[in-house]
Amino acid sequence: EVQLLESGGGLVQPGGSLRLSCAASGFTFSSYAMSWVRQAPGKGLEWVSTISGSGGTTYYADSVKGRFTISRDNSKNTLYLQMNSLRAEDTALYYCAKGTTVITTWFDPWGQGTLVTVSS
Amino acid sequence: QSVLTQPPSASGTPGQRVTISCSGSSSNIGSNYVYWYQQLPGTAPKLLLYSNNQRPSGVPDRFSGSKSGTSASLAISGLRSEDEADYYCAAWDDSLSGHVVFGGGTKLTVL
Repeated sequence: EVQLLESGGGLVQPGGSLRLSCAASGFTFSSYAMSWVRQAPGKGLEWVSTISGSGGTTYYADSVKGRFTISRDNSKNTLYLQMNSLRAEDTALYYCAKGTTVITTWFDPWGQGTLVTVSS
Repeated sequence: QSVLTQPPSASGTPGQRVTISCSGSSSNIGSNYVYWYQQLPGTAPKLLLYSNNQRPSGVPDRFSGSKSGTSASLAISGLRSEDEADYYCAAWDDSLSGHVVFGGGTKLTVL
């Protein structure tokens, strides 16, 4: 069974940094693209970033480009999202999601999410 | 303002058939597959349909999808109370150099 467990969320001040992690199990992690998708309180889904299985290809939403960095450690079956220069509008529940062996496909399954709150 | 446009709400009574539309452009829906996600209250999103109209294992055949040009739709037949959820369409967008765009979501109420 595929399992995705996010961690690392919390309260951070504007301008601060946070690193999210997503521990994966139940599949050959290095073969699959992985993504982060966020959901602000009471709002819809917003794609954040996607990384290929090898880590060699990454994509970012314009709203986070230059501030967030997606990465993965295939030896640890873990996906990361380094978030710098955080803003109030980054407050959201951050989900990690498994893709397929092709980077530009669907997300399935999703983790339960980790909450990031940016506030002074 | 979402790139893909969905009605904010939809409703139906048990047993009815409801459809949810998703409108995009030539760079997203017009040239890529559409995906649908279901988010039950208080839970993480779940893949409902992929590649326009394919159901993952475990998704009932009451759920179906279609795509025509730059629009797509999700149909739910034999509506059940447990279908009450938020539904999101999504697609990759070629104009944005590897971006995924979501619809704003449609809240389905089973009356």
